[in-house]
Amino acid sequence: ILNVEQSPQSLHVQEGDSTNFTCSFPSSNFYALHWYRWETAKSPEALFVMTLNGDEKKKGRISATLNTKEGYSYLYIKGSQPEDSATYLCAPSSGGYQKVTFGIGTKLQVIP
Amino acid sequence: NAGVTQTPKFQVLKTGQSMTLQCAQDMNHEYMSWYRQDPGMGLRLIHYSVGAGITDQGEVPNGYNVSRSTTEDFPLRLLSAAPSQTSVYFCASSSRTGGISGANVLTFGAGSRLTVL
Repeated sequence: ILNVEQSPQSLHVQEGDSTNFTCSFPSSNFYALHWYRWETAKSPEALFVMTLNGDEKKKGRISATLNTKEGYSYLYIKGSQPEDSATYLCAPSSGGYQKVTFGIGTKLQVIP
Repeated sequence: NAGVTQTPKFQVLKTGQSMTLQCAQDMNHEYMSWYRQDPGMGLRLIHYSVGAGITDQGEVPNGYNVSRSTTEDFPLRLLSAAPSQTSVYFCASSSRTGGISGANVLTFGAGSRLTVL
């Protein structure tokens, strides 16, 4: 069982602010790092899957970076909008793709 | 494409009853998995399958059985339900080789809320 830590646990920001979250995971035997967005009453939806140290991915105003050597990933949201309000889940897998372990998530609320 | 379909959406059981949560996907994904979601905890992996006829245990397998007779279906069986199995269950699938979403990206079903009294 991987120890996955996400911080902060919750965050309130004003519309237009930029923000970032952190995900920490064991660096040994790393395989991949997933980020998912989970809106209330819906299912988690994939944002990124990253595998290589130094990977950077971008989707609109959301981007992510990966450091596999030290075991962390950052998720950035530029110019937050109310529709960005959701819980953001980080999920590494180690030793292979089969066992994806989810963190508790960072709950973001964007205040109009 | 329907994606990942879970049934039922809601179920109430009495302690000791058995039931099956159904999961079906129409994306020809090799990999399928079951997670449970409890307050204050991350999604926890129950069982997973990397192809028809192949299943393995996740983080919290006790009290649950699975089988994978076809690529499309991955049912989760509770043989004797306990109150500790009250939870929201999610089925997820992914393609090993890629596709529209990319390799290993999990597509989730809508969830099944189970209450055991």
